[in-house]
Amino acid sequence: GAVVSQHPSRVICKSGTSVKIECRSLDFQATTMFWYRQFPKQSLMLMATSNEGSKATYEQGVEKDKFLINHASLTLSTLTVTSAHPEDSSFYICSARRLAGVSSYNEQFFGPGTRLTVL
Amino acid sequence: GENVEQHPSTLSVQEGDSAVIKCTYSDSASNYFPWYKQELGKRPQLIIDIRSNVGEKKDQRIAVTLNKTAKHFSLHITETQPEDSAVYFCAASTGGGNKLTFGTGTQLKVEL
Repeated sequence: GAVVSQHPSRVICKSGTSVKIECRSLDFQATTMFWYRQFPKQSLMLMATSNEGSKATYEQGVEKDKFLINHASLTLSTLTVTSAHPEDSSFYICSARRLAGVSSYNEQFFGPGTRLTVL
Repeated sequence: GENVEQHPSTLSVQEGDSAVIKCTYSDSASNYFPWYKQELGKRPQLIIDIRSNVGEKKDQRIAVTLNKTAKHFSLHITETQPEDSAVYFCAASTGGGNKLTFGTGTQLKVEL
């Protein structure tokens, strides 16, 4: 259990186009999902927290109008990179929070990532 | 906000030796400290975690220690094997399901 998928796994696009990345929790409901970005040989940096049915919370320095997040259902969050440019090329990874039972802890599960290359 | 520092950035050990990676955090409210192993182009894989109500946790060849007073925690891998070669990240958060602040990563290379 606790599987998170992302689609697409890899995308190449031209500069100026928009790209949508989907993050799905396949076997549990996730009211909260997180979007991270990872540049080559660097760490994962949190971009935003996606909350089902409400606006996302963006980290400082992340442009909310450029990185549009929609969490329209309990199993799906989408990240749209608008007017993508070469500097947006990166590995985008989502994670989903699974709420714990009474005697356990909340857990976070990562998707496989999406490699975005902007030409 | 939380800041997590990680050392060393690269670590080479001989097969069978031990490896130790250290992290420090800044936010005293952080109470959950996971360690992830990431292979090139793959998702981070949780290998062990520790919560602030314990000082040490062990799972076979892997152990994690936590010093809340000093705000640092360490990953210990014993009897290293070539398949342990990867990038390791520490992280901190205020709960297992909350946003994670990652360390800068350690490239571990286990040589034959």
